[in-house]
Amino acid sequence: EVQLLESGGGLVQPGGSLRLSCAASGFTFYMSDMTWVRQAPGKGLEWVSALSGSGQTTYYVDSVQGRFTISRDNSKNTLYLEMNNLRADDTAIYYCAKMGGGAYRQRLESWGQGALVTVSS
Amino acid sequence: SYVLTQPPSMSVAPGQTARITCGGNNIGSKYVHWYQQRPGQAPVLVLYDGSVRPSGIPDRFSGSNSGATATLTIIRVEGGDEADYYCQVWDPNGNWVFGGGTKLTVL
Repeated sequence: EVQLLESGGGLVQPGGSLRLSCAASGFTFYMSDMTWVRQAPGKGLEWVSALSGSGQTTYYVDSVQGRFTISRDNSKNTLYLEMNNLRADDTAIYYCAKMGGGAYRQRLESWGQGALVTVSS
Repeated sequence: SYVLTQPPSMSVAPGQTARITCGGNNIGSKYVHWYQQRPGQAPVLVLYDGSVRPSGIPDRFSGSNSGATATLTIIRVEGGDEADYYCQVWDPNGNWVFGGGTKLTVL
């Protein structure tokens, strides 16, 4: 059974930093592309960042480019999201998800329960 | 960037059929995926590649995709189907794109 467990969320001041972790189990982690999706309070889903299984290829939504860094440690089956220069509009639940499907058709097959990030003074 | 448009809300009586649409420019040429998010829970994939059900998803859920509209159809709607539903595609310009979501209320 695929399990994804996020951690590292919390309250941070504007301009601050936070690192989210996502511990994965139940599947071959190093072969799976992974992604982060966020959901602001009462809002819809917004894709944030994605990373290939090898860790070589990264993708970011424009609003976080240059502030967030996605990475992974395949020896620990863990995905990370380093978030710097946080803003109030980054406040959201952050979900990590395992992706499946081939090029041009990737779907988010399994999701974690999410980690709440609150940016406020 | 690529935009997916969903109706914000819809309601249906138990036992009836719900059809949730997702509009996008030439979406019929893309692979569309659908997610269900019950209140307070993480999203769950209910259809992928337009019409394929993952293991464990009841066959009451089906999908179609043609032209400018993809549709998620739920027949014999039950109270447990009350949730937000999101469509999603991969786009070369916007990467992973979600629709705004449709809140399905079961009357």
